[in-house]
Amino acid sequence: DAGVTQSPTHLIKTRGQQVTLRCSPKSGHDTVSWYQQALGQGPQFIFQYYEEEERQRGNFPDRFSGHQFPNYSSELNVNALLLGDSALYLCASTPGQNNSPLHFGNGTRLTVT
Amino acid sequence: RKEVEQDPGPFNVPEGATVAFNCTYSNSASQSFFWYRQDCRKEPKLLMSVYSSGNEDGRFTAQLNRASQYISLLIRDSKLSDSATYLCVVNGDSGYALNFGKGTSLLVTP
Repeated sequence: DAGVTQSPTHLIKTRGQQVTLRCSPKSGHDTVSWYQQALGQGPQFIFQYYEEEERQRGNFPDRFSGHQFPNYSSELNVNALLLGDSALYLCASTPGQNNSPLHFGNGTRLTVT
Repeated sequence: RKEVEQDPGPFNVPEGATVAFNCTYSNSASQSFFWYRQDCRKEPKLLMSVYSSGNEDGRFTAQLNRASQYISLLIRDSKLSDSATYLCVVNGDSGYALNFGKGTSLLVTP
């Protein structure tokens, strides 16, 4: 039973570039949430996807966008990268009901130079 | 005011000690509460859910005080392997997003 998988593991980009991160949820889960975790901070909620729609969004600019596919996998896109976007990006899945705990992938460590 | 606040520590305790972490949350309508553990440069992993009546899982005890909007985690008989960052998690206004505290760092020493 595969857990949440994310790719790539690490990524180095230059300021101004665009990046796409990918996530496959745990088997049986249909809801995907994305979080950004800067060094020394707790994970910050970016957005959540359910039934291929963005269901809720955190306090992140429009440069952050996402998508969910019919197989429940998801992408996070970040445009016009800033140095401050350097962080660990975590994908988490749940079975869709409220009040379920999140199951996280290993994360993608993004470095913007 | 942040939605979830934790004492960042670090807490340095000897093996065998009992240590308690506290967390406060701002949304009185919150219904879901969890403690997660995060090892250095790894993803957060669920430690335990927190129920209204309090709950225990081995050496770990979680308590919820809705009136004070306060959650606690007690670790008894600390092990070296308990060294990690402990994240308090509470659902937000809409109920979908889970909001994380900054985390409390624990170092258990021999």
